[in-house]
Amino acid sequence: DAGITQSPRHKVTETGTPVTLRCHQTENHRYMYWYRQDPGHGLRLIHYSYGVKDTDKGEVSDGYSVSRSKTEDFLLTLESATSSQTSVYFCAISESRGQGANQPQHFGDGTRLSIL
Amino acid sequence: QKEVEQNSGPLSVPEGAIASLNCTYSDRGSQSFFWYRQYSGKSPELIMFIYSNGDKEDGRFTAQLNKASQYVSLLIRDSQPSDSATYLCAVNMEYGNKLVFGAGTILRVKS
Repeated sequence: DAGITQSPRHKVTETGTPVTLRCHQTENHRYMYWYRQDPGHGLRLIHYSYGVKDTDKGEVSDGYSVSRSKTEDFLLTLESATSSQTSVYFCAISESRGQGANQPQHFGDGTRLSIL
Repeated sequence: QKEVEQNSGPLSVPEGAIASLNCTYSDRGSQSFFWYRQYSGKSPELIMFIYSNGDKEDGRFTAQLNKASQYVSLLIRDSQPSDSATYLCAVNMEYGNKLVFGAGTILRVKS
């Protein structure tokens, strides 16, 4: 397994509460990603990071924020959770070798988040 | 909207047969193509990646890429019940290190 740890693995919380998910890597890879996976939609990119303090939005970024203060950690925050954010969240990492072909992404084990 | 399309399946094949999984993409500038396998309740696992037109083989798996037709496929030879999973096709955006994923094809291998 690529050295990726997601925490927590499961969380149940109430609407309106803040939630932070953590992704920790030991591979020293430059790129880190947060996805959500829902039935019928596949994997959708929320935010990604291309270096410390360098982040950008993905396809479904509304309602989410991220931070990356160290190479190894990428945090995803739901400031005020809503039921529509109930999902499975995956973190992924990849190396970068400049322009041209992308390097494969490797995924963590996921966090199952339920918002009641 | 850049898209990646896959037949959702399920695709059912008998044990020992060849399973053929297909994917089309909309962005002509895409250069990198990936196949992931995902078992129920688990995370996606990289199986193959391909960058150039033609075939790339790795064990029982062959990835095929045709950029002119914007088409990438995955062949699984000698299919086993353990190959039963959802197979995700992913394609890079023209710029940046981001991927767009298809919704996945469910494969069922019957013994």
